[in-house]
Amino acid sequence: DAKTTQPPSMDCAEGRAANLPCNHSTISGNEYVYWYRQIHSQGPQYIIHGLKNNETNEMASLIITEDRKSSTLILPHATLRDTAVYYCIVRADNYGQNFVFGPGTRLSVLP
Amino acid sequence: KAGVTQTPRYLIKTRGQQVTLSCSPISGHRSVSWYQQTPGQGLQFLFEYFSETQRNKGNFPGRFSGRQFSNSRSEMNVSTLELGDSALYLCASSFGGVGETQYFGPGTRLLVL
Repeated sequence: DAKTTQPPSMDCAEGRAANLPCNHSTISGNEYVYWYRQIHSQGPQYIIHGLKNNETNEMASLIITEDRKSSTLILPHATLRDTAVYYCIVRADNYGQNFVFGPGTRLSVLP
Repeated sequence: KAGVTQTPRYLIKTRGQQVTLSCSPISGHRSVSWYQQTPGQGLQFLFEYFSETQRNKGNFPGRFSGRQFSNSRSEMNVSTLELGDSALYLCASSFGGVGETQYFGPGTRLLVL
């Protein structure tokens, strides 16, 4: 079973920041938080991942709470092309660890 | 750098047949993982291959098998197809080290009639 809980759906206005929450209250010390997104039946696209520090790349920012029990993915200026299902996954830092996907959050960016 | 490629992209089979799907990883990647995605069960892990050896396996019946070649390309095979095997089959590649990010291909959509 997935170790994360996400809202099933969210809306965001185009041009505004999209803040997608994720709860992972049972996360272990060696587990990373990964975010992927899937745009209508394409392969999931890697967005960002982190352990305990906040991370930022050209796509998004990842904010992890100090107790690591939750995180937020931030898309700073959402566009219509960001409409997708967003998956938050925790995965241990071990060899051969696969991703366990939950149902994710369906983000709809509205014009 | 080319991404993960999967062939074929679409496939129609009938019950009882078998099917082979192919995945070419990103150059330099040695790990290939396979996932099945269905509307009812979501994305589920099938197995992972690293250096031609199966390193991890999900909870799927023995009809689902795979292999990896010395150039890291991987194939998965499903024998005695059932209607419920209709799905999007995704492969993902990584360098295979600890904590490495996986990059997914576009998938093969299989329809079993």
